[in-house]
Amino acid sequence: AQSVAQPEDQVNVAEGNPLTVKCTYSVSGNPYLFWYVQYPNRGLQFLLKYITGDNLVKGSYGFEAEFNKSQTSFHLKKPSALVSDSALYFCAVFSGTYKYIFGTGTRLKVLA
Amino acid sequence: GAGVSQSPRYKVAKRGQDVALRCDPISGHVSLFWYQQALGQGPEFLTYFQNEAQLDKSGLPSDRFFAERPEGSVSTLKIQRTQQEDSAVYLCASSPRVPHSGYTFGSGTRLTVV
Repeated sequence: AQSVAQPEDQVNVAEGNPLTVKCTYSVSGNPYLFWYVQYPNRGLQFLLKYITGDNLVKGSYGFEAEFNKSQTSFHLKKPSALVSDSALYFCAVFSGTYKYIFGTGTRLKVLA
Repeated sequence: GAGVSQSPRYKVAKRGQDVALRCDPISGHVSLFWYQQALGQGPEFLTYFQNEAQLDKSGLPSDRFFAERPEGSVSTLKIQRTQQEDSAVYLCASSPRVPHSGYTFGSGTRLTVV
């Protein structure tokens, strides 16, 4: 069965420092991987996706993610964190062709 | 509209009451999804429509849950005889096509059953 794991419930980082939010996956076949962000009382917003091609995927708001097949990871990164990046981040994988399997989420807190 | 619109934003229901949650997807989006997000959890798939056809309802937790999209645009998720465990945020998402694209999610309806 397809699954994703986000091992950290919360990540704290100082503004201006690089941030990493971790995600590992378990899939059969080629993985289709996604990151979404959720601000309070808002829906999920798409950040980026990996389908195939370059292992480094660039997305919205300066975020990027690195696909690592050998480590079955898809960590979200940003070179310099902003206070406004504070939110809940979800990693997801497609199960089949349309159904997301989401991780439990990681709360990112960027400290001024 | 510019985004996926859900109503109401908040709903408090007494246990045993029936509720109806509405989703207005982006115009022209063929695919529509419902997800349930319990407190502190990631969203979980409920059901999928392609136009008016409900192609997958495997995630609906019980026969008290029913979804429809009769004209291939607006969708309604109905929960009969609500229970406390139904308390969650219900998210609707739409997409112009299925696979491999990022979906546009609505802000959700927060249902609290008391």
